[in-house]
Amino acid sequence: DQQVKQNSPSLSVQEGRISILNCDYTNSMFDYFLWYKKYPAEGPTFLISISSIKDKNEDGRFTVFLNKSAKHLSLHIVPSQPGDSAVYFCAASGPGGTSYGKLTFGQGTILTVHP
Amino acid sequence: EAQVTQNPRYLITVTGKKLTVTCSQNMNHEYMSWYRQDPGLGLRQIYYSMNVEVTDKGDVPEGYKVSRKEKRNFPLILESPSPNQTSLYFCASSTGLKGSNQPQHFGDGTRLSIL
Repeated sequence: DQQVKQNSPSLSVQEGRISILNCDYTNSMFDYFLWYKKYPAEGPTFLISISSIKDKNEDGRFTVFLNKSAKHLSLHIVPSQPGDSAVYFCAASGPGGTSYGKLTFGQGTILTVHP
Repeated sequence: EAQVTQNPRYLITVTGKKLTVTCSQNMNHEYMSWYRQDPGLGLRQIYYSMNVEVTDKGDVPEGYKVSRKEKRNFPLILESPSPNQTSLYFCASSTGLKGSNQPQHFGDGTRLSIL
């Protein structure tokens, strides 16, 4: 039972264009969401996060949008750069107050940015 | 340099032979966690620890044990490894009480092959 799903295994975009990575979840108790980026032969690195009390969080070229009614979040990268080519994982935790330990990841999306 | 160190990085072993993967962090983090990464399944949480002597199950704890006797160390123990535990394993740590909501620092991974 995959509670966090990234339905696109891969995404290919041109340098300078927008990359949109999507993530859906089924557990309405999730209240905090994170995105991690992973290069080959390295561990994941944190990218950006969002609390369920917000619908948008921005950090430089990266913006995460949360649509709670649709149980959907997306990561926008603008403009995309070849160095952004990596595997992107979304992750969810919650509910806060009882579960600050468990973290559920999606399957990951391989982003390739072409020069 | 702030880091999470896993050892060994690679191991090939046989079914039933007990093994331990060590994880150590130098950031004085309260929260530590173990994940396994498998194709098509993304990252799945095995166990986590909110602090010394406090551990709890993630989504896939079967066949694994952990201990947290010191803040910096969080070893993963496979008492009787089986081939379905062949995977890429990551240890991670983060600070504060809201461990899973904080950006986690990951080690570079341990690739286990169990024949």
